[in-house]
Amino acid sequence: EVVMTQSLLSLPATLGQPASISCRSSQSLVYSDGNTYLNWFQQRPGQSPRRLIYKVSNRDSGVPDRFSGSGSGTDFTLKISRVEAEDVGVYYCMQGTHWPYTFGQGTKLEIK
Amino acid sequence: EVQLVESGGGLVQPGGSLRLSCAVSEFTLSGYGMSWVRQAPGKGLEWVAIINQDGSKKSYVDSVKGRFTISRDNAKNSLYLQMDSLRAEDTAVYYCARGGSVPLFWGQGTLVSVSS
Repeated sequence: EVVMTQSLLSLPATLGQPASISCRSSQSLVYSDGNTYLNWFQQRPGQSPRRLIYKVSNRDSGVPDRFSGSGSGTDFTLKISRVEAEDVGVYYCMQGTHWPYTFGQGTKLEIK
Repeated sequence: EVQLVESGGGLVQPGGSLRLSCAVSEFTLSGYGMSWVRQAPGKGLEWVAIINQDGSKKSYVDSVKGRFTISRDNAKNSLYLQMDSLRAEDTAVYYCARGGSVPLFWGQGTLVSVSS
């Protein structure tokens, strides 16, 4: 099983300032088709997960452009250019390359 | 608007069974693989099972193999999860999701509690 490790379990962030969440996989997430199936999800309290980014760096429709994803191979990052109050929640990276698909343990973003 | 609505959760004793359903609308179920993902109270997310478009291929996480069965009825626009021999550690909110590698749409979840 591929282990997804998010180094921070808690991220105190300042409104208007940038924030970054890192995620590392225990093996390469490059699939045989050349795609890297690394996704980022946001989960607000009491809500279902919401996909923000798919295949490393593709932002979903309706997701503010302050969210961006980057990385390759085994190291990935979600960046928020300017944190807003509505960004509070838990962020998960998720790999869809190797079965069973797995999530990171989550990073809880809170406002300082 | 794409919708996925789970049902069938509830309180069950250890060793018991439950069948979860996921009714989908505003898309053609037969065009997509489907998944079940769960989240124990206060914990992270865990993929449970996945099924391909026509139901011919199914995969399970090791912890539920031999106890859970994923199935689908494309004509009824529904996905199912039969859960047998339930254990306390199966207590979670169960979500259905469209797709597998890049799941975009999720239901609101249904709570399964396994306790005596």
